Amino acid sequence: AQKVTQAQTEISVVEKEDVTLDCVYETRDTTYYLFWYKQPPSGELVFLIRRNSFDEQNEISGRYSWNFQKSTSSFNFTITASQVVDSAVYFCALRGYSTLTFGKGTMLLVSP
Amino acid sequence: SQTIHQWPATLVQPVGSPLSLECTVEGTSNPNLYWYRQAAGRGLQLLFYSVGIGQISSEVPQNLSASRPQDRQFILSSKKLLLSDSGFYLCAWNLPTGTQYFGPGTRLLVL
Repeated sequence: AQKVTQAQTEISVVEKEDVTLDCVYETRDTTYYLFWYKQPPSGELVFLIRRNSFDEQNEISGRYSWNFQKSTSSFNFTITASQVVDSAVYFCALRGYSTLTFGKGTMLLVSP
Repeated sequence: SQTIHQWPATLVQPVGSPLSLECTVEGTSNPNLYWYRQAAGRGLQLLFYSVGIGQISSEVPQNLSASRPQDRQFILSSKKLLLSDSGFYLCAWNLPTGTQYFGPGTRLLVL
């Protein structure tokens, strides 16, 4: 069975701070995909990034960066110089050969 | 490009009344379709998924049912709503091995 753990339920930072959201996963599938989604107060889940299990190259997109470590089964997400608009719930998810499994989410609150 | 629609956006229904939520996808063919529910506490629960017309898999036995009458249409229904059916319902789609994309959601309040 697949499992995704986001141990941080809520994080509060002040604008311009860097923040890292942790994600640890478990799967027996040899090929799998990892995702991050953002859910702002409006409710819609917005896709941020997808990584394949055979591609451990880290990625940077503007203020966002992702660190995929297969050896520790982690796929962490860092926001640099956080902004108020980053306030949302962030979900990490995993898909192997079946359906998508989500973590319980981390609520990020960025205050001015 | 592909888009996914859900309606209604908000719904307030009395206990015991029926329910019908609709989801449609544009710009793709043969998508996998999904219904999720997000109750208070924000965890996402997969309710149903479909890999083709008339093919429905249920993840959690409950008061709800789903149907897929057309390739890009997915309907969530109930004959009699319960208070516990309140929540935020999200429809999603993906192509096989592709990224899953979500609709705007329907907020359901059962009173």
